[in-house]
Amino acid sequence: RKEVEQDPGPFNVPEGATVAFNCTYSNSASQSFFWYRQDCRKEPKLLMSVYSSGNEDGRFTAQLNRASQYISLLIRDSKLSDSATYLCVVWDFGNEKLTFGTGTRLTIIP
Amino acid sequence: EAQVTQNPRYLITVTGKKLTVTCSQNMNHEYMSWYRQDPGLGLRQIYYSMNVEVTDKGDVPEGYKVSRKEKRNFPLILESPSPNQTSLYFCASSLGPYALEQYFGPGTRLTVT
Repeated sequence: RKEVEQDPGPFNVPEGATVAFNCTYSNSASQSFFWYRQDCRKEPKLLMSVYSSGNEDGRFTAQLNRASQYISLLIRDSKLSDSATYLCVVWDFGNEKLTFGTGTRLTIIP
Repeated sequence: EAQVTQNPRYLITVTGKKLTVTCSQNMNHEYMSWYRQDPGLGLRQIYYSMNVEVTDKGDVPEGYKVSRKEKRNFPLILESPSPNQTSLYFCASSLGPYALEQYFGPGTRLTVT
């Protein structure tokens, strides 16, 4: 089983719709979680951290479910500019390892 | 402007010809790392460095070397490149491996023929 798993997509979503995708992680000792955004052939950039209580940043909401070992990202009122690949990232304090998922590709359709 | 720079951005080379990809950051970050990104495999860490003169292997270190003689620079060296090292390479820096944000360079697309 992969340490961090994501549905690769692609998710093709009409503009204005709400889209959500999950990421599962295998190590229950994982302690910090992040969503990064990567545009085609560009470097990844931090989108948001994921806190235990869940957090929201504008149209983006991130949730953590430790019992089921997954994190989620919800995008409301999607914009064309949201088209990108979204990487789930997990930090394990035990072995000081940062693990990236393979990404979920999202395309917003006009 | 706070940034991580990499050079070259694109490189086509032949098997066995030694090459170096440079990485430099201007944020006084202690932690730097190198990743390679391949389709279906995501970002995999090659080497990382906690500070000057301190480097350690990541998940896929075979065929690579690094050095950290200065805090700002972290070059990646391929002593004898092979076609399976064809990939997109990213350098990253942060305050620490646990830091909220890893800052990535723009990437180096390497092709080994």
